[in-house]
Amino acid sequence: TQLLEQSPQFLSIQEGENLTVYCNSSSVFSSLQWYRQEPGEGPVLLVTVVTGGEVKKLKRLTFQFGDARKDSSLHITAAQPGDTGLYLCAGAGYGGSQGNLIFGKGTKLSVKP
Amino acid sequence: EPEVTQTPSHQVTQMGQEVILRCVPISNHLYFYWYRQILGQKVEFLVSFYNNEISEKSEIFDDQFSVERPDGSNFTLKIRSTKLEDSAMYFCASSGAGVIQYFGAGTRLSVL
Repeated sequence: TQLLEQSPQFLSIQEGENLTVYCNSSSVFSSLQWYRQEPGEGPVLLVTVVTGGEVKKLKRLTFQFGDARKDSSLHITAAQPGDTGLYLCAGAGYGGSQGNLIFGKGTKLSVKP
Repeated sequence: EPEVTQTPSHQVTQMGQEVILRCVPISNHLYFYWYRQILGQKVEFLVSFYNNEISEKSEIFDDQFSVERPDGSNFTLKIRSTKLEDSAMYFCASSGAGVIQYFGAGTRLSVL
């Protein structure tokens, strides 16, 4: 069974601080997607990483896919209260399992002004 | 911007009743999915659908569940005889090429 472990589960920081969220697995994924989910809403796609070692930047957010395609990280620089939310990573398998996204439990981020 | 639309946003039903959750995927997408999220737990895959048939399903997707694409725009999830433990948020997702999935806002199913 493929599992994705996200850490930390909860993170409370002050505005302006930097933070990193980790997503780890013993399984290899063909791609990994990061979502943000607000209470009562569906996951909203932030980014997809496909190549091992790939780094993608989205304004103050930096996403990295591990060389072995088993882990990923999300780094936020100078966090703002608007970054508050639940961040989810989700991995896709290979072949027929590409559509079966395996989700982590999420990291609940709170950025205080 | 195109989006996945789900109706209703909240469905309340009695245990043992049938429910149908509806989804309108992004119009040019070919791959469709259902996930569920029990309160406080992670999002779990239920089923994927491509070319008018199920591609893959999880252990959760037992004989009580079925999916259908009755016309060119709708994608439905039916639960034949709901149980208390079916209470959850149900998310529909669609994908153009089978990799990047876009999610709807979800239907909250409450089984009483």
